[in-house]
Amino acid sequence: QVQLQQSGPGLVTPSQTLSLTCAISGDSVSSNSATWDWIRQSPSRGLEWLGRIYYRSTWIHQYAVSVQSRIIISPDTSKNQLSLQLTSVTPEDTAVYYCARRRDHNTVSDVWGQGTMVTVSS
Amino acid sequence: DIVLTQSPLFLAVTPGEPASISCRSSQSLLYSNGVDHLDWYLQKPGQSPQVVIYLGSNRPSGVPDRFSGSGSGSDFILKITRVEPEDVGVYYCMQALQAPITFGQGTKLEIK
Repeated sequence: QVQLQQSGPGLVTPSQTLSLTCAISGDSVSSNSATWDWIRQSPSRGLEWLGRIYYRSTWIHQYAVSVQSRIIISPDTSKNQLSLQLTSVTPEDTAVYYCARRRDHNTVSDVWGQGTMVTVSS
Repeated sequence: DIVLTQSPLFLAVTPGEPASISCRSSQSLLYSNGVDHLDWYLQKPGQSPQVVIYLGSNRPSGVPDRFSGSGSGSDFILKITRVEPEDVGVYYCMQALQAPITFGQGTKLEIK
């Protein structure tokens, strides 16, 4: 059974960097058939896809245009996890952040992390 | 970006009655292999989204057969034949044909 366990601070100061981790069990971050997404949810923006990584002989990154200058999603193969870094945060980045697995070559997003509420405030 | 428009945005249904949600896409979600990359997710209060239908009409194991998905191209429907109290929450359609993945606004289902 695949599980995603998220961790990271729930409060970030404006202009600082938001950092979250998603630990994977039951699958591999280096899977050649899965992709690993970060999605956030806020009352103002709804569900918003931020980006993904996946491994197909090399690591591939895709980011939403709205955050592409501020976002890094990276794998940690030694710990079998992925991380999200979002720099220069503002209160508009306040949201619940989810990691999710999309399996079997883009078939279905079948496993989601538990969500992390991140508030950007001084 | 592909825009998904759901309707209605709110549903109040008597237990045992049917429910139907529409999702319209700004462009076709049909991939060259004949598969529509349109999923339906239910987000129960306080929980992460969970898939109820994927690739237009496929129901994952563990999802009750009262849930069904239909449609192709740009128009899709999620149907619940007989709504039960545990079906309450917000339903989202999601397209994964191309990045960025995008979501509909959500349809809130409540029990009368």
